[in-house]
Formats: sequence, C-alpha cells, structure tokens
Amino acid sequence: KAGVTQTPRYLIKTRGQQVTLSCSPISGHRSVSWYQQTPGQGLQFLFEYFSETQRNKGNFPGRFSGRQFSNSRSEMNVSTLELGDSALYLCASSGGLTGRTEAFFGQGTRLTVV
Amino acid sequence: SQQGEEDPQALSIQEGENATMNCSYKTSINNLQWYRQNSGRGLVHLILIRSNEREKHSGRLRVTLDTSKKSSSLLITASRAADTASYFCATDEAWDTGRRALTFGSGTRLQVQP
Repeated sequence: KAGVTQTPRYLIKTRGQQVTLSCSPISGHRSVSWYQQTPGQGLQFLFEYFSETQRNKGNFPGRFSGRQFSNSRSEMNVSTLELGDSALYLCASSGGLTGRTEAFFGQGTRLTVV
Repeated sequence: SQQGEEDPQALSIQEGENATMNCSYKTSINNLQWYRQNSGRGLVHLILIRSNEREKHSGRLRVTLDTSKKSSSLLITASRAADTASYFCATDEAWDTGRRALTFGSGTRLQVQP
C-alpha cells in the first residue's frame, strides 16, 4: 500500500507570491490534516479535511487555505507569502470514520520564502 | 499553540542504555500518540495509548499514561544508534473539546552514541 505522498518536496518562492502544495493520502483514508513545522513554533496544526469538508482549523491567518477533492487528495494554498512562512509543511492521513487513529505522515514539503 | 512540553529537550546516551522521555499536556484527551522524526523528514507513528489505558508495550517501546497528572512517558530500552531522532508526543483531545486534531509537544532530540 503506497504511503502519503506530498509534492513538491522542495520549493523556493519570493515574498508576495502564492504557493500550492499537494498531498495524496493513503488509499481509503478520508481524513487529511496539514501541519506546519518551524524551529521556533514546532509542529502546529493548520486544518483537517474529511470527505471534502473542513472539519477543524488551527490558528493561522486567512492566507492559509486548503481543500479536499472527491478522491481525498488535498491541496493547501498560501497566498501573499511572507518570510515567516518558510517551514516544513506536513500532511497526514488517517483512516476510520472518526479519524481518531494513528496518523500517517508524508515526507513533507520544504518551503523557503526569500 | 502546543498542548504541552516534553522533557528533556535533548538527551544523549550510549548504545545499549535506556532512554526515557516525558510529555505533559493540558486538556482532556481521547488518546496520546508518540511519533519519531528523523532530521527534517516526515513523522513516523510509534505507539498510541488510549485515555483508559495506563501502560502499553511495543517491541522495545514502553509508554505510560497518567491522566490524573496529564502526563506520559516513553521508554526506549536497549537503545541503538538508529534510534537517534526527535520524538514527539501528540494528544488527540476529547470529543467535548470539539477539537479533532493532533496537538504536538515540543519534542525531545535523542542522540544515541555508538
């Protein structure tokens, strides 16, 4: 069974640009969550999608948005990039109706904003 | 914001020794999970302990949970150089908090010297 796939692995963008990251969950998993990891703030929850609906959202500005497609693949978008958005963005999928099981993480997308 | 803190922040031991990491959290939980992360890569799920469990074993891993003290510990026995990584606890909050997302601790960096 293929794991969680995130693309691209690395990305360099300029301040003010926007970026879209992609995540393909494990087949059969309907819950996809996104996390931001930085040295200063650690791992922080961005949002979670389940069956194309956003179920939960973390404390991030509206520049951070996401969506989930009918095949459970998810994208997150960051508009008007700031230097502080440089981070490792991790996607996780989990199975089960409630999603309250272990999460399987992708390798992450390393975003650098210059 | 993070659920709690992990202690110690960094730990250096010799191969064959045991490593103990502690995690504290703040809210009621449904379960608590431990993850490992190798240098800037994705997280790997190690073990999940439910709020009604007190201890769980998996191979060389032993996890304890004390809900009255809102704390958990991860013990790695007979450590190996390959165990060198960062270890994170993550709490899955109880249903009545309305939050369906993992909240991660700050992590413990474990270095196992060969």
